[in-house]
Amino acid sequence: EAQVTQNPRYLITVTGKKLTVTCSQNMNHEYMSWYRQDPGLGLRQIYYSMNVEVTDKGDVPEGYKVSRKEKRNFPLILESPSPNQTSLYFCASRGPPNYGYTFGSGTRLTVV
Amino acid sequence: AQSVAQPEDQVNVAEGNPLTVKCTYSVSGNPYLFWYVQYPNRGLQFLLKYITGDNLVKGSYGFEAEFNKSQTSFHLKKPSALVSDSALYFCAVRAPYGGSQGNLIFGKGTKLSVKP
Repeated sequence: EAQVTQNPRYLITVTGKKLTVTCSQNMNHEYMSWYRQDPGLGLRQIYYSMNVEVTDKGDVPEGYKVSRKEKRNFPLILESPSPNQTSLYFCASRGPPNYGYTFGSGTRLTVV
Repeated sequence: AQSVAQPEDQVNVAEGNPLTVKCTYSVSGNPYLFWYVQYPNRGLQFLLKYITGDNLVKGSYGFEAEFNKSQTSFHLKKPSALVSDSALYFCAVRAPYGGSQGNLIFGKGTKLSVKP
């Protein structure tokens, strides 16, 4: 089954403790992206990647890092999480440009 | 710059009535337009898209959307709402080319509530 897999689904952590949210897709897509969803703000793009070793900032990249060492994986790294990063995070991948995104199931992160 | 507006935070309809969820956009060039739905505690699911061709696009679960270039709108519609349609709906736009090509810009979402 074609899918985007995120882990973990839920995570509670403390301020300053580094964490990684993993994202993997099995569709051989070149394009992958991370979004965060907050009430009243919709989805905002954090980072995206057009291909292996090619990443770029989205609209809200501060406090986040990403890497794209292989096509299928696109982890989101929070080096020093803060409470304002408490949010619902989605990873997505896409095939050709006129296709829609396939989204993961989301990761609900709480930073205390 | 690309942008998407969903002017209604919430839409309430009675089951069996037609529903409309509004979306307007701003983009350079011919837009790619999408609708996604998010059920509680779930990820976003693709409903339909407009790339080119017929202005009326049919999608999943009986939904359709009409592309109106002069009004820069892409409203989501369904002739007869179901309680199970209650969810959060997102409109999204993408420019077909440009420095950040392929990035979808999302609206803030509209919560659809269908009452029995």
